[in-house]
Amino acid sequence: QQQVKQSPQSLIVQKGGIPIINCAYENTAFDYFPWYQQFPGKGPALLIAIRPDVSEKKEGRFTISFNKSAKQFSLHIMDSQPGDSATYFCAASSHGGFKTIFGAGTRLFVKA
Amino acid sequence: DTEVTQTPKHLVMGMTNKKSLKCEQHMGHRAMYWYKQKAKKPPELMFVYSYEKLSINESVPSRFSPECPNSSLLNLHLHALQPEDSALYLCASSQGQSETQYFGPGTRLLVL
Repeated sequence: QQQVKQSPQSLIVQKGGIPIINCAYENTAFDYFPWYQQFPGKGPALLIAIRPDVSEKKEGRFTISFNKSAKQFSLHIMDSQPGDSATYFCAASSHGGFKTIFGAGTRLFVKA
Repeated sequence: DTEVTQTPKHLVMGMTNKKSLKCEQHMGHRAMYWYKQKAKKPPELMFVYSYEKLSINESVPSRFSPECPNSSLLNLHLHALQPEDSALYLCASSQGQSETQYFGPGTRLLVL
């Protein structure tokens, strides 16, 4: 119940394409859902985050869609660029807790 | 300033050595974290300090010993490590519970 399931494991898209990464959770106590981007040899960096009171959040080319009833959320990257090639982790945490549960990660490669 | 710094960037140690990893943040965050990350895997939580007190220990072997000297600093003391402890060690901080965690660049540790 503490898991966050992320798919796909890897993704290859052409430049300008719209990669979509999906995550699902079981624990209804989760109330904060961040996405992290990680480049090789670097620490994860927060990309965008959402709380369950909204269904969509957009920041630049990155959009989170959130479906509370289905317990699913996804990341869309508009007009993807080769510089977006990285590993993306979805995550979830619950109110009153320090523990963040990470998905397994998606390795994205954007072809020029 | 949303920076978490970690030293050293790289560390090679033998199984009988004693070494320490250091982490620093000046964002006024009251929670600090140690994570371990193996290649192609998500970060795994090791320890959480809240208000300079150990809040979470994820059953980490005693050869890893955390220390929080003050609200800005976090250390991880290493002793008698095993080759399987080789990984990227990440420090993170957050304002509080269920809040964005800001990660440092990590220390790449190799145990010979």
